[in-house]
Amino acid sequence: EPEVTQTPSHQVTQMGQEVILRCVPISNHLYFYWYRQILGQKVEFLVSFYNNEISEKSEIFDDQFSVERPDGSNFTLKIRSTKLEDSAMYFCASSREHYNEQFFGPGTRLTVL
Amino acid sequence: GDSVTQMEGPVTLSEEAFLTINCTYTATGYPSLFWYVQYPGEGLQLLLKATKADDKGSNKGFEATYRKETTSFHLEKGSVQVSDSAVYFCALSVKETSGSRLTFGEGTQLTVNP
Repeated sequence: EPEVTQTPSHQVTQMGQEVILRCVPISNHLYFYWYRQILGQKVEFLVSFYNNEISEKSEIFDDQFSVERPDGSNFTLKIRSTKLEDSAMYFCASSREHYNEQFFGPGTRLTVL
Repeated sequence: GDSVTQMEGPVTLSEEAFLTINCTYTATGYPSLFWYVQYPGEGLQLLLKATKADDKGSNKGFEATYRKETTSFHLEKGSVQVSDSAVYFCALSVKETSGSRLTFGEGTQLTVNP
């Protein structure tokens, strides 16, 4: 059964460093998403992406964040200069059509020291 | 804005017990409602959904009914199994105002003991 994969499963970085979180969505899906969950808090929407453009973003998704689909299979989230408060579990999701079921990856745990 | 509130967890039950996890919501428009489940080491999986009032979503013995009058979408299962141990998330989306983004509740950890 096709699934969304994410790498790495755990990333540790120093404050101020850039990180790139990688996702491989399901191959025939067209809509891609990033969510995050800070420990002990709710899963929060960050951004959605379609046709090589951001279609929606939340207040959290500021200039420090960017997303890219660099090739036909990967979908990445970049944090330019990490802060302590960026420590969280980051989930990638994809869906075949707009408003369809979103399929989630297992997450990348980001720890900023 | 939109929000979802779940009952506080964790919840611990014995096998074959009845399960209820409460979920209430506030929404700016007419939401679609979802329950997602996360098994250890895996991503969130859609368990069931309902898109209009009085709809009942069901899957794998779990059920939830969209109650507009009480703004609720409580998850129930008549007889839980050890394999149901997971984290359960209630969520909504409102197409008219927030597109396809999902708004989640806090998540409820369920542990079922044999």
